[in-house]
Amino acid sequence: AQSVTQLDSQVPVFEEAPVELRCNYSSSVSVYLFWYVQYPNQGLQLLLKYLSGSTLVKGINGFEAEFNKSQTSFHLRKPSVHISDTAEYFCAACMDMGRRALTFGSGTRLQVQP
Amino acid sequence: GAVVSQHPSRVICKSGTSVKIECRSLDFQATTMFWYRQFPKQSLMLMATSNEGSKATYEQGVEKDKFLINHASLTLSTLTVTSAHPEDSSFYICSAIISGTVYGYTFGSGTRLTVV
Repeated sequence: AQSVTQLDSQVPVFEEAPVELRCNYSSSVSVYLFWYVQYPNQGLQLLLKYLSGSTLVKGINGFEAEFNKSQTSFHLRKPSVHISDTAEYFCAACMDMGRRALTFGSGTRLQVQP
Repeated sequence: GAVVSQHPSRVICKSGTSVKIECRSLDFQATTMFWYRQFPKQSLMLMATSNEGSKATYEQGVEKDKFLINHASLTLSTLTVTSAHPEDSSFYICSAIISGTVYGYTFGSGTRLTVV
């Protein structure tokens, strides 16, 4: 079955520390990968996406992610977090190229502490 | 940028009544829209995919007669929760593929539905 797994439900981190949010996917077909951020009671904002090309993808707000096909992973990283990065982060994949619907992971709550 | 306007942002309704949620693409044509449901502290679960002018495709386990989706124009899709019950209380989010892109998704700001 095709799925997206976010291993950490919560990640507490101190301000200015680096952070990595993990995402793994399971798919027997080609996959396009996305990271979104969600603030309380709001929709989703795209951080970055991997469709093809360089496996290291740079996004907004200093985030980056690396597509690793052999490990079926797409971990999100930021070298130095801010209080304002506190939010819910979702990894998503498009594994149905016909319908193009996204499958979401369960989300990771990033809590940045002062 | 491409914006999807979703209304209302919050709605409280009585059990047994129906509620309509609208999603409008403001500056692009949305041939395909997706409707998601999100329970507290959980992920987004795809409910259905709607294409303009055709019937929506529902995910397994989603009641078609309860969650009516209409995508009558290239800029408007609606989700109607019929005969709402407290268990329908949730956060509903629409998403559209931005015209001219293949994997450019934009999301509405969501609707918090509370059924009392």
